Amino acid sequence: RKEVEQDPGPFNVPEGATVAFNCTYSNSASQSFFWYRQDCRKEPKLLMSVYSSGNEDGRFTAQLNRASQYISLLIRDSKLSDSATYLCVVNMRDFNKFYFGSGTKLNVKP
Amino acid sequence: GAGVSQSPSNKVTEKGKDVELRCDPISGHTALYWYRQSLGQGLEFLIYFQGNSAPDKSGLPSDRFSAERTGGSVSTLTIQRTQQEDSAVYLCASSYRVNEKLFFGSGTQLSVL
Repeated sequence: RKEVEQDPGPFNVPEGATVAFNCTYSNSASQSFFWYRQDCRKEPKLLMSVYSSGNEDGRFTAQLNRASQYISLLIRDSKLSDSATYLCVVNMRDFNKFYFGSGTKLNVKP
Repeated sequence: GAGVSQSPSNKVTEKGKDVELRCDPISGHTALYWYRQSLGQGLEFLIYFQGNSAPDKSGLPSDRFSAERTGGSVSTLTIQRTQQEDSAVYLCASSYRVNEKLFFGSGTQLSVL
C-alpha cells in the first residue's frame, strides 16, 4: 500500500469553479503535511503547509483530518493559471522522510 | 536570495557511461534530498543528507548510484554504468532543517541512449 494516495484526475473545471482534492495517508504517525504544485516539466513548488486547525491562503484552503487520515485542498474561483498537478506530501518526522503522492491533475478551462 | 541550483539542466549519455549531477542548495540549508521522477510518475526518494550525520541511502535503487555532500553544501549524485531505465528527471531539494518544507531545484533531465 502506498504511503500517500491521491486521485490522479484529471479534474476538468471551468474558470470560476470551486474544486476540491483529497489525499489519504497510511501512517498515523505522520506529522507534517504540505501541498505542492507542479507544472508540466517543472519542479514542484510549495503551495502551502497544512495545519491541524486548517488554514487558508487567498483562494486556497487546506484541511487536515487526523482521525480519518486525509488532507484536502479547496480552490475557489479557479483561474486558468491554476492548471497544474497538485502533490500531497506527508512528512514522517521520526524517519526524516517525505512521502509524495502521485499528484492530481487539474485543468481549468475558459 | 538564490534558490536551489542544479546542473546540468539536461544530460544525454550513452548506455554504460558514468554521469555526475550537481546540486547547490540554498545557503544555510542543512538538509539536502535527491529524488527522481520518471515521465508521468511521482517522486521517488533516493538519498538525503542532514548536516554531518551519515546520509540516509535507503532509496538508492542499486549500487551504481552514489552521492556525496562536501562541506555540508554542494552535493553530487553519481550514476555509474548508466542504463536506459535510469532516464528520468533528477530533482534536488533542500530545507533549512530536516523535516521542514522542501525547496526544489529545476532538475536535471537525464536521457540514456
